[in-house]
Amino acid sequence: AQKVTQAQTEISVVEKEDVTLDCVYETRDTTYYLFWYKQPPSGELVFLIRRNSFDEQNEISGRYSWNFQKSTSSFNFTITASQVVDSAVYFCALRDNAGGTSYGKLTFGQGTILTVHP
Amino acid sequence: EAQVTQNPRYLITVTGKKLTVTCSQNMNHEYMSWYRQDPGLGLRQIYYSMNVEVTDKGDVPEGYKVSRKEKRNFPLILESPSPNQTSLYFCASSGNLLLGSAYEQYFGPGTRLTVT
Repeated sequence: AQKVTQAQTEISVVEKEDVTLDCVYETRDTTYYLFWYKQPPSGELVFLIRRNSFDEQNEISGRYSWNFQKSTSSFNFTITASQVVDSAVYFCALRDNAGGTSYGKLTFGQGTILTVHP
Repeated sequence: EAQVTQNPRYLITVTGKKLTVTCSQNMNHEYMSWYRQDPGLGLRQIYYSMNVEVTDKGDVPEGYKVSRKEKRNFPLILESPSPNQTSLYFCASSGNLLLGSAYEQYFGPGTRLTVT
């Protein structure tokens, strides 16, 4: 069965600090997809990134970077020089290629509440 | 603008009064899904649909119904709502997952439901 664990329930930082959000996943599939979503205080879910299991290349997008390590089943998300607008709940999610029930289901972690103080 | 829309955005109702939350997408997506979000539990899938007239249960389907008569619409029906269905509900859509693609799912703005 799929499982995603975000061990950090809440993180509080001061603006301009770097912060890393941890994500550990479990799946028996060899092909799977990992995602990060941001949920700002307004409540919508904003897609940030998708990573395929066969592509371990790390990615950087502006102040955001993602570190995917299959050896440790982790897909961590780092925000460099955090800003107040980064305050949100961040979700890591997993989808595998399993058919049958819950096809295409995203399995979400519990979410990490990030608060960036000015 | 490509989007997933949900209505209503907020709803307060009483136990047992049937309600429907609508979901519509304009991206010609085959796959649509409903999730509920509860504190400490993240999001959990309720029902999903791979295409018109094809629906199936997710992890927490009890107390919910869905239908997919048109490709763009995927309403969530609560025949007899109960207080434990108080939650934040999200509709999502994506491209054809049967192709084994990595399509990300795009989410609607959410519907906050309170059942008293």
